[in-house]
This record gives sequence, C-alpha cells and structure tokens, in this order.
Amino acid sequence: RKEVEQDPGPFNVPEGATVAFNCTYSNSASQSFFWYRQDCRKEPKLLMSVYSSGNEDGRFTAQLNRASQYISLLIRDSKLSDSATYLCVVNSGSSGTYKYIFGTGTRLKVLA
Amino acid sequence: SAVISQKPSRDICQRGTSLTIQCQVDSQVTMMFWYRQQPGQSLTLIATANQGSEATYESGFVIDKFPISRPNLTFSTLTVSNMSPEDSSIYLCSVKEPTAYEQYFGPGTRLTVT
Repeated sequence: RKEVEQDPGPFNVPEGATVAFNCTYSNSASQSFFWYRQDCRKEPKLLMSVYSSGNEDGRFTAQLNRASQYISLLIRDSKLSDSATYLCVVNSGSSGTYKYIFGTGTRLKVLA
Repeated sequence: SAVISQKPSRDICQRGTSLTIQCQVDSQVTMMFWYRQQPGQSLTLIATANQGSEATYESGFVIDKFPISRPNLTFSTLTVSNMSPEDSSIYLCSVKEPTAYEQYFGPGTRLTVT
C-alpha cells in the first residue's frame, strides 16, 4: 500500500461546479498535511496547509480526518484557471523531523 | 516565502557524464531537500541536504550516484553521476523555513540524458 494515495483522475468539470478530492495516508503518526498545485511543466506551489479543525481560503476548503487517515480538498465555483494537478503531501517524519511524502496527484480540468 | 533559484534550468547530457545542479535561496533556511519527478509521475524525495554534514538519503538513493553538498544555509548542490537515460527527469530543490511547516520549491532542472 502506498503511503499517500490519491485518485489520479482526471476530473473533468464544468465552470462553476464544486469538486472534491480525497487523499488517504497510511502512517498514523504523520504530523502535518498540505495540498499543493502543480501546473504543467512547473514546480509545485503550496495551495494550503491542512489543519485538524479544517480551514478555508476563499473557494478552497481543506479538511483532515485523523481517525480515518484522510484529507480532502473542496473547490467551489470552479474556474478555468483551477485546471492543474493537485498534490496531497504528508509529513510522515516523527516528532521534530520532516519527511514529505507526495501523492501521485489528481488532475483537474475545468471546462468552459 | 523564500525565493529559490536553480541552475541550470535544463540540460541535455550524454550517458556516462555527470551534471551538478545548484540551488540558491535568498534567505537562511534550516532544511533543504532534493526531489526527482520522472515523466508523468509525482515527486520522490532523494535526500535531505544537511548543512555541515552528510546528506540523509532515502531508500533507493545512494551518495555515490547523487552526491550532495550544502556548504551554508542558503546553497546546495546535487550531482547526478554517471548518468543513464533512466536519470532523465526533473530535479527540484525545496526549502523549509525555520518557523514554518510548509516547503517551497525551486523552478526545477529538466535533465535529458541521451
């Protein structure tokens, strides 16, 4: 079983739609969680960190469920510019250490 | 967030040769990492570059193949040694600032080995 698993997609959605991605992780001791966005032929860029209480940034909402070991990303009112690959990242290092594990990414295509 | 640059941005190399990639950060950072992203794949951590000591390599990566230097808190190099076509990939450095959990990436080096 992979340490971090994502549905690779692609998710093809119309503009204005709401889309949700899930990511599961295997190491229950994982400490911190992130969503990154990667455009074609570019480096990953931090979209948001994921906190236990859940957090929202504009149209984006991230949630963490430690009991079930998954994190989610919800995108509301999708824009064409949201088309990208979304990477789930988990720090699976033990306390005070950092070992970032990347999921394979979920491809989103927002259609006009 | 820190501004990170990498050199070269891309290169085409012959098999059997070596390439050194540089990563420069505009501020002092505690942690620097090197990743590989093979075509169509996600990122795989190669090693953590430790300032003043040997890098910490992940399973499947060895120092002889990927020697890393980190002479100070703003600079690191990754060498891809004795290259083969299987080394064709994007190599990315990333940094974690002292007071944050997030990491930020350089623009990457696109390597093609012929």
